[in-house]
Amino acid sequence: KAGVTQTPRYLIKTRGQQVTLSCSPISGHRSVSWYQQTPGQGLQFLFEYFSETQRNKGNFPGRFSGRQFSNSRSEMNVSTLELGDSALYLCASNGGRTGGNEQFFGPGTRLTVL
Amino acid sequence: GQQVMQIPQYQHVQEGEDFTTYCNSSTTLSNIQWYKQRPGGHPVFLIQLVKSGEVKKQKRLTFQFGEAKKNSSLHITATQTTDVGTYFCAGEAAGNKLTFGGGTRVLVKP
Repeated sequence: KAGVTQTPRYLIKTRGQQVTLSCSPISGHRSVSWYQQTPGQGLQFLFEYFSETQRNKGNFPGRFSGRQFSNSRSEMNVSTLELGDSALYLCASNGGRTGGNEQFFGPGTRLTVL
Repeated sequence: GQQVMQIPQYQHVQEGEDFTTYCNSSTTLSNIQWYKQRPGGHPVFLIQLVKSGEVKKQKRLTFQFGEAKKNSSLHITATQTTDVGTYFCAGEAAGNKLTFGGGTRVLVKP
């Protein structure tokens, strides 16, 4: 099976812009979670989608949003970018309750905000 | 909300020595998972512990889940340079999202 893929791998934006990141989970996986990783804060949970519905949400401002499509692919959007949004954004998929709950991570999108 | 703390944040280990990293949750967990992230890579699942007091081994790695299901440890024996990376624990409480600890970054001195 192909692993989790994320596009783009690298992105440079300026403050105030918006960005959309994409994640394709492992085939058959219906749950997709997004994490922000920074050197000082570790892995911070953003949100989880399951069958096109947001199932859990972390403590991030409303500028961070996401969605999941019927094919389980997911996108996350960050509007009005701030310098502090520079981070590695990781998405992870799992098979849901019937498939175990280990997270399979993608390679991440490294976002730099100038 | 649920918090997961890991100590130490950094671990410098001489090659061949043993070390242990600890994970503590503010709430009782239904399960705990461990991941390893190599430098420049992404987290990779190592193991999941579910039962109180459970101990699992993977070659030189020993994982333990506390009796109260609020803490866990990872012990590595005879550390090798291939053990370099950041080890994360992630705890899941019933109905809650998976919460990651801050990670223990392991550096190995040859």
